[in-house]
Amino acid sequence: DAGVIQSPRHEVTEMGQEVTLRCKPISGHDYLFWYRQTMMRGLELLIYFNNNVPIDDSGMPEDRFSAKMPNASFSTLKIQPSEPRDSAVYFCASRPGMANYGYTFGSGTRLTVV
Amino acid sequence: RKEVEQDPGPFNVPEGATVAFNCTYSNSASQSFFWYRQDCRKEPKLLMSVYSSGNEDGRFTAQLNRASQYISLLIRDSKLSDSATYLCVVNTADSWGKLQFGAGTQVVVTP
Repeated sequence: DAGVIQSPRHEVTEMGQEVTLRCKPISGHDYLFWYRQTMMRGLELLIYFNNNVPIDDSGMPEDRFSAKMPNASFSTLKIQPSEPRDSAVYFCASRPGMANYGYTFGSGTRLTVV
Repeated sequence: RKEVEQDPGPFNVPEGATVAFNCTYSNSASQSFFWYRQDCRKEPKLLMSVYSSGNEDGRFTAQLNRASQYISLLIRDSKLSDSATYLCVVNTADSWGKLQFGAGTQVVVTP
């Protein structure tokens, strides 16, 4: 199993530009999560999906952030327009639908907005 | 009050020593418990699940105390490679599909 795959690994962009982060969950996992991690705020849940349906997006900071999951094998997190305070590591994670299973995280996308 | 609370540390541990630390959770109905480790600039990785009866995986022992609502992790014979941040993870009240992460306990093993 290839695990959770995220791309790109690193992204440097200028303020105001659109940024799209991508995630391929583990096949057969029903849940997909997007997290953001910074030194100041730690690991924050942005949004999660169950069977491709967004369940809780209360962690999305503002309207500049949007996430989609068009099918079971792909999700995107988009920031438009990007701002320097969006600089962080963005992790995608997935888990099976059964109880008592933990998440598997992708390697993350390190985003720097200058 | 945070749902999951951890001592941030750091716990400085000589190589070969034993270190233990706890995590408290606020929701008495929580059912799933895990320890994750996160190395600097890497993703969190599942270290072990925590079962009601306690469980052991090599040098690592996890315990659950439901009455006092805490879980613990003990590391025996610490290795330099055990240096990491250990995240306590609990399922949440509003959705068992979503896990709540503690802020982590940093462990530094020194030669």
